[in-house]
Amino acid sequence: AQSVAQPEDQVNVAEGNPLTVKCTYSVSGNPYLFWYVQYPNRGLQFLLKYITGDNLVKGSYGFEAEFNKSQTSFHLKKPSALVSDSALYFCAVRDRPPSGNTGKLIFGQGTTLQVKP
Amino acid sequence: NAGVTQTPKFQVLKTGQSMTLQCAQDMNHNSMYWYRQDPGMGLRLIYYSASEGTTDKGEVPNGYNVSRLNKREFSLRLESAAPSQTSVYFCASSHLTGANQPQHFGDGTRLSIL
Repeated sequence: AQSVAQPEDQVNVAEGNPLTVKCTYSVSGNPYLFWYVQYPNRGLQFLLKYITGDNLVKGSYGFEAEFNKSQTSFHLKKPSALVSDSALYFCAVRDRPPSGNTGKLIFGQGTTLQVKP
Repeated sequence: NAGVTQTPKFQVLKTGQSMTLQCAQDMNHNSMYWYRQDPGMGLRLIYYSASEGTTDKGEVPNGYNVSRLNKREFSLRLESAAPSQTSVYFCASSHLTGANQPQHFGDGTRLSIL
């Protein structure tokens, strides 16, 4: 069964420093991976996705993610964190059951990013 | 730029009451989804509708029913609310073709059951 794990409940970083939010996955076949961000009292917003091609994927708001097949990881990164980046971040993998494509996503439990001034 | 609209935004129910959560999208998406979000558990899929006229169970369907009213609208019904259904409910939509397409989310319905 497909699954995704975010090993850190919270990540703290100082403004201006680089940030990394970790995600590991378990899938059969080639993975389709996504990152979403959730601000307080809002729905999830799409940041970026990996489908195929370059291992470094660039997304919204200066975020990028590195796909590493050997380590089954898809870590979210940003070179210089902003206080406004403080939010809840979710990694997700597309579900690929034997019955075929459904477009369903399986989400990690989320990581709270706290950027301090 | 409405996207995915959910109503109501907040609701308090008593145990045993029924309620329907409404969701509508204006992006001409084929697929629609209902999730619940609980602290430390991420989002769990309740039901989804791959296309108009079809619905399927997700990970946690017990206690819920859904209706895909038309291409735009996908409602979630709690027939007899229980305290365990206290949660934040999110509706989402996506294009069916090409499951690499991202899902678009509404801002949620915060539901408390006493």
